[in-house]
Amino acid sequence: EAAVTQSPRSKVAVTGGKVTLSCHQTNNHDYMYWYRQDTGHGLRLIHYSYVADSTEKGDIPDGYKASRPSQENFSLILELASLSQTAVYFCASSDKSSAETLYFGSGTRLTVL
Amino acid sequence: GQQVQQSPASLVLQEGENAELQCNFSSTATQLQWFYQSPGGSLVSLLSNPSGTKHTGRLTSTTVTKERRSSLHISSSQTTDSGTYLCAIEDSGTYQRFGTGTKLQVVP
Repeated sequence: EAAVTQSPRSKVAVTGGKVTLSCHQTNNHDYMYWYRQDTGHGLRLIHYSYVADSTEKGDIPDGYKASRPSQENFSLILELASLSQTAVYFCASSDKSSAETLYFGSGTRLTVL
Repeated sequence: GQQVQQSPASLVLQEGENAELQCNFSSTATQLQWFYQSPGGSLVSLLSNPSGTKHTGRLTSTTVTKERRSSLHISSSQTTDSGTYLCAIEDSGTYQRFGTGTKLQVVP
């Protein structure tokens, strides 16, 4: 069974603080993704990666950085958290290309105060 | 970029009724997937159907590529089908874009 694990499950951060969301997959997948979900907007892609030590911008990358230190791990970094970044964040992985099924983590609920 | 529109936004059915969910997209799709999001938030892929008709269990998806639309038919709905159904499209890029979903509620 494909497995994508996110941590933490929820987090409260202060405006201007640094937040790091972590994702670990045991699927041996090349591709990993970070999406955010807001009411009324569905899921929107922030960053993705198809190989370790390389990341690519998605549709809404502003205010976010990503890091892929290994095939298994993919982090999303908010250097200066803002109120507008309050959302649920999902990590996903897929095999070789996004034509394959996306396997999602359980999500991280981030609240920025 | 690719625009994905889903309708209806929400739907309430009596148990046993059928559901028809729609997904329209703005440019050619090389991949199309339907996902289910549970009320608790977890996301799972239901099926992949970039063209033609595909069945799995009580689900049938029909995608008409040249008309840029796909449907998901749920037969004999059950209360456990309640949740949000999301359509995701990949065009010539390398990632999938999601619609805003259809929230389905099946009541006994």
